[in-house]
Amino acid sequence: DAGVIQSPRHEVTEMGQEVTLRCKPISGHNSLFWYRQTMMRGLELLIYFNNNVPIDDSGMPEDRFSAKMPNASFSTLKIQPSEPRDSAVYFCASRLASYNEQFFGPGTRLTVL
Amino acid sequence: DQQVKQNSPSLSVQEGRISILNCDYTNSMFDYFLWYKKYPAEGPTFLISISSIKDKNEDGRFTVFLNKSAKHLSLHIVPSQPGDSAVYFCAASTRTNAGKSTFGDGTTLTVKP
Repeated sequence: DAGVIQSPRHEVTEMGQEVTLRCKPISGHNSLFWYRQTMMRGLELLIYFNNNVPIDDSGMPEDRFSAKMPNASFSTLKIQPSEPRDSAVYFCASRLASYNEQFFGPGTRLTVL
Repeated sequence: DQQVKQNSPSLSVQEGRISILNCDYTNSMFDYFLWYKKYPAEGPTFLISISSIKDKNEDGRFTVFLNKSAKHLSLHIVPSQPGDSAVYFCAASTRTNAGKSTFGDGTTLTVKP
């Protein structure tokens, strides 16, 4: 298996633009997580899905952030409009039900100018 | 309120010696604990875990100890190798919300040759 796949790996955009981050979880995994890592806040959970259904989005910072999982093999995290304070590394992770460990993708480094 | 704390941002040890990374938690509902290792420009990777019904789990050079009464766990690496140099994250989850892990801020381990 190729592991969790994230695209793009790097994104540089200007304030106000829409940003879409993509994730393909490991085949057969039931849960998908979106995290954001910054120096100030560490690794924080934004949202997670079980069987494509959003379970907990309490970590989503504000309405500018939205996430979807239209099927078991694809998820997106969208920021609209983007702001400089959204600059961070965004990780996607997936998990097989009955196991606690998560498998992380390589991350997307987002820079909002 | 940070429920999982890694109070040492960094640790430096000599190759061949023991590395001890510490983690404290405040939520008594946590019953499963994990350690992840992260190299630069990569996502975290699962290293070792422990259930609250145990007080020790060993995997090769890596051992995790859990002290429930003190709400403290530690990761021991013996002997330490330069390739162990990475950021180590402690994470905790609850049975009622299995899969959702709360992460500490990480400890950067440097193993000097």
